[in-house]
Amino acid sequence: KAGVTQTPRYLIKTRGQQVTLSCSPISGHRSVSWYQQTPGQGLQFLFEYFSETQRNKGNFPGRFSGRQFSNSRSEMNVSTLELGDSALYLCASSRTGGNTEAFFGQGTRLTVV
Amino acid sequence: AQSVTQPDIHITVSEGASLELRCNYSYGATPYLFWYVQSPGQGLQLLLKYFSGDTLVQGIKGFEAEFKRSQSSFNLRKPSVHWSDAAEYFCAVVGYNNNDMRFGAGTRLTVKP
Repeated sequence: KAGVTQTPRYLIKTRGQQVTLSCSPISGHRSVSWYQQTPGQGLQFLFEYFSETQRNKGNFPGRFSGRQFSNSRSEMNVSTLELGDSALYLCASSRTGGNTEAFFGQGTRLTVV
Repeated sequence: AQSVTQPDIHITVSEGASLELRCNYSYGATPYLFWYVQSPGQGLQLLLKYFSGDTLVQGIKGFEAEFKRSQSSFNLRKPSVHWSDAAEYFCAVVGYNNNDMRFGAGTRLTVKP
């Protein structure tokens, strides 16, 4: 079956702009989590959605938001981009979250200039 | 708060040598424990996981990990490393009643010919 698909793979944006990233989970998976990966901070949890509801949120400013649709596809949005938002954004899907196995997409590489 | 520590940022081993990557966690109760591997520019792939039961768990690609409650550790091992094992390895935890996965800082593995 198809894996987790993230689009786009690469993105270049200018400071102050906003960006939307997309994640299509594995069929049947209802939990989608988002992570930011940077060389300095490592992998940091952004938020997790399950059945269109945000269940958990990491310690990120309100500029970072997300949503999940009825088909479990998820989007995350970053408004008023800053240079420090440059990172690899990873999406992971799992059946129900928690201890169920998470499958990761290849990520979206965001560069803010 | 739950946390994961990977004490070794970078490890170099010769091909054919044995490998042990360290992981320590801090959590009130035994969390669910995972090891993931990431190749450059790629997402994360699950190597193995521990939920309960036998404290020695087998994973893919010949990896195994041992859970030691007394030491709050979940170290990853491989008897004989192959050049293709060169990658970054992440230990992760999920709390028993939680849905967000926390990652260690990662250990980069270099394999010498």
